[in-house]
Amino acid sequence: SQQGEEDPQALSIQEGENATMNCSYKTSINNLQWYRQNSGRGLVHLILIRSNEREKHSGRLRVTLDTSKKSSSLLITASRAADTASYFCATDLLSPQGGSEKLVFGKGTKLTVNP
Amino acid sequence: EPEVTQTPSHQVTQMGQEVILRCVPISNHLYFYWYRQILGQKVEFLVSFYNNEISEKSEIFDDQFSVERPDGSNFTLKIRSTKLEDSAMYFCASSLGTGANSPLHFGNGTRLTVT
Repeated sequence: SQQGEEDPQALSIQEGENATMNCSYKTSINNLQWYRQNSGRGLVHLILIRSNEREKHSGRLRVTLDTSKKSSSLLITASRAADTASYFCATDLLSPQGGSEKLVFGKGTKLTVNP
Repeated sequence: EPEVTQTPSHQVTQMGQEVILRCVPISNHLYFYWYRQILGQKVEFLVSFYNNEISEKSEIFDDQFSVERPDGSNFTLKIRSTKLEDSAMYFCASSLGTGANSPLHFGNGTRLTVT
């Protein structure tokens, strides 16, 4: 079953603007991760936020996590044309044994930053 | 920086043929994964592999699929009898810890086209 769902599906902004992407998930998680994918390339890990954290920063990235609403957001500040990519959230699913074995990805948000 | 490498970058095969997709994970990583992405769609989990055995697999990963780590460095995905719907981008990934607790490092993928 699908876990993470990103919103919006596509986002187009001008260079210098902020970009906010949202992710909603259905079941309890241990951690949530955000990845970026340039066209035709593999996914690149951006940031991991644990379920007991509410906010995390990495350079121009800010991630928030609201476990009560089962949602997360990724904010890219002062966007650049080079930020153009698809962004995915990924959540773990607990196996029947209780351990987290895999990440489940959503469909992603396609971000276009216009110069 | 160490990276995950995948070969070939593009594989064209006829329906019913067997294909082997190859991956060299990062050398000190312990967990290995295959994901696939049908064009424009979400990244789907296929299988995770740890300690020389499958730790988890999805419903997609049926009897036509198998994985192997034959020599301690390579990690392969075999599709025994390809179908048209197997056409997709296949990504190998590796991580130091379980996928939920550690970033996944992805290769740039193998584009499989089944004709």
